[in-house]
Amino acid sequence: AQKITQTQPGMFVQEKEAVTLDCTYDTSDQSYGLFWYKQPSSGEMIFLIYQGSYDEQNATEGRYSLNFQKARKSANLVISASQLGDSAMYFCASPGNTPLVFGKGTRLSVIA
Amino acid sequence: KAGVTQTPRYLIKTRGQQVTLSCSPISGHRSVSWYQQTPGQGLQFLFEYFSETQRNKGNFPGRFSGRQFSNSRSEMNVSTLELGDSALYLCASSPRTRNTGELFFGEGSRLTVL
Repeated sequence: AQKITQTQPGMFVQEKEAVTLDCTYDTSDQSYGLFWYKQPSSGEMIFLIYQGSYDEQNATEGRYSLNFQKARKSANLVISASQLGDSAMYFCASPGNTPLVFGKGTRLSVIA
Repeated sequence: KAGVTQTPRYLIKTRGQQVTLSCSPISGHRSVSWYQQTPGQGLQFLFEYFSETQRNKGNFPGRFSGRQFSNSRSEMNVSTLELGDSALYLCASSPRTRNTGELFFGEGSRLTVL
């Protein structure tokens, strides 16, 4: 994707609740992939989940799922049963002219 | 399998100095890319190396340079440091020969320029 947009700079969620982090993308490619990464305060980017544009089903990885709506060019991350350890920055990304083009990120804070 | 290792993790420099950051990719990964992360600009691509050749370069001034060695380890250098170079520098390696977006990141080198 040439551009990734994350419109939520920060989000709060109660522990054990579900939360949706928004991501929209802009691409002229027919085949592409969408990635979500988590970045805790330590700095490391941790891969969470991947969705290919031709995948018929939404991707799921444990408590993470991707709400992929191709016609709307959105790939929202859903975290179920939030935990305190989920507090971090979350980035949506996709290959473009560079290995990965990132959105600005969403800072998720989980409240006990 | 060891992950991507970046050294040093933290460093403080003064304006005008230069700095060299090192990245050891996951064994077997031949592609290494570098990103600069700042609160204002987010994650910005610096460069990508594959088999010792720079395959792609971001929009950064010539003060930023890099290289990759035959063992796939990579270094990046920033000369004549400016205050705005303060950032987290992230290195990522990939097992793929073509760009699929599958990147494995290190913990980063946090540079502070005073």
